[in-house]
Amino acid sequence: SQTIHQWPATLVQPVGSPLSLECTVEGTSNPNLYWYRQAAGRGLQLLFYSVGIGQISSEVPQNLSASRPQDRQFILSSKKLLLSDSGFYLCAWSEGADNSPLHFGNGTRLTVT
Amino acid sequence: AQSVTQPDIHITVSEGASLELRCNYSYGATPYLFWYVQSPGQGLQLLLKYFSGDTLVQGIKGFEAEFKRSQSSFNLRKPSVHWSDAAEYFCAVGDDTGGFKTIFGAGTRLFVKA
Repeated sequence: SQTIHQWPATLVQPVGSPLSLECTVEGTSNPNLYWYRQAAGRGLQLLFYSVGIGQISSEVPQNLSASRPQDRQFILSSKKLLLSDSGFYLCAWSEGADNSPLHFGNGTRLTVT
Repeated sequence: AQSVTQPDIHITVSEGASLELRCNYSYGATPYLFWYVQSPGQGLQLLLKYFSGDTLVQGIKGFEAEFKRSQSSFNLRKPSVHWSDAAEYFCAVGDDTGGFKTIFGAGTRLFVKA
């Protein structure tokens, strides 16, 4: 069966520090991969998605970037964190077909101080 | 552009009572619709989905949802709520421009009282 791993679970970082959140998927090949950010009471905001290695689409201009160095690995990064980057970050994958359901990791709670 | 509205920010029901969570969507064609559930501090889990066919869909954990095109609604129901159902519930609609941008509602938090 397919599994998705996301780490770390929680992270406290000072303003201006770099960020790297990692997500890996097992048990499937060529998945679509996604990074979402969740703010309280505001649902989920799609940040990035990827349909293949090296293919990244950005949905919202921001301080973050994403990379997909391997088929089942998706990384969210920042060179310098802002206070506004605090939030709950969720990685997800789906099958390659259009509108396939999303399968989420357990999320990373990021607090920028 | 598609959108999803969940009118209720939070709902409180008694254990054993029935539940209905509302969801309205805006979509140009036949939508792909989903309900997800999120326990505190966790990721989201798919409860059910509607793509086509029978407008009443069954999901996991005893949930069901009914697609009503005339009302642009996809309400989630459960006949008898258990305390373990306390969580946040998200309605979502699939992308009509290419398939990869699921749009989520703001969520409804369900509280269950004994």
